[in-house]
Amino acid sequence: SQKIEQNSEALNIQEGKTATLTCNYTNYSPAYLQWYRQDPGRGPVFLLLIRENEKEKRKERLKVTFDTTLKQSLFHITASQPADSATYLCALAGTYKYIFGTGTRLKVLA
Amino acid sequence: EAGVAQSPRYKIIEKRQSVAFWCNPISGHATLYWYQQILGQGPKLLIQFQNNGVVDDSQLPKDRFSAERLKGVDSTLKIQPAKLEDSAVYLCASSLDRIFKDTQYFGPGTRLTVL
Repeated sequence: SQKIEQNSEALNIQEGKTATLTCNYTNYSPAYLQWYRQDPGRGPVFLLLIRENEKEKRKERLKVTFDTTLKQSLFHITASQPADSATYLCALAGTYKYIFGTGTRLKVLA
Repeated sequence: EAGVAQSPRYKIIEKRQSVAFWCNPISGHATLYWYQQILGQGPKLLIQFQNNGVVDDSQLPKDRFSAERLKGVDSTLKIQPAKLEDSAVYLCASSLDRIFKDTQYFGPGTRLTVL
C-alpha cells in the first residue's frame, strides 16, 4: 500500500540556520507533491507545489526538491526564524487523490 | 477573501451519539474535501466533492459516516453513531477545481471528543 514517511521526531534548530525536512514515499507515483504548514489548532496552509518533472522549486526562504528516483522530497527553510516553528506536512497528489504524511514538528530556537 | 468556515469548533459527545459538522467553502470553489486528522497524524481524506457530486469516498466509513453537499456550496458531515476512535479534528478544505495544481484552502477544523 502507499506509504509516506516524514520524520516523526521533532526537529530543533538554532535561529539563522537552515532547516531540512524529509518526505519519503513508497508504492506511489505522484504527479505533484505539496508542502503545507500547520500551526496548533489550525488547518494546514499551503506553501509550495512541485511537479514530478521539476527538480527544484523556490519561494522566498523556502526551497523544495523532488527526486522521483529516490522517491523523496526535501523541504528547506533558510535563515530560519522562531516564527517558522510549526508542523510541516507533505502531501502527494495523483489520480485525483491526496495523501498526507504525518508531518514533522520544527522548533526554531532563538 | 473570506476563508473556509467550519462549525462548531469543538464538540464533546458520548459514544453512540450522533454529531454533525458544517462547512462553508470559499466562494466559487467547486471542490470540497473532508479530512479526519487524528492527533499526531496527517489529514486523511474522507470524501471529496466536485460541485454536489462525490468524486472519492473510498475512505469514508459508510456504515456510520455520511456527507452531503447540497447545491454545490455548503457541506455537512455526520457521524451516527460515534465511536471512541472517531475522536479527531475534522478538517474541511476547498479548491477552485480538482486539478492538483490548485491549492487546497483549509478551515480551522472541528475538534471532536468522543467519551
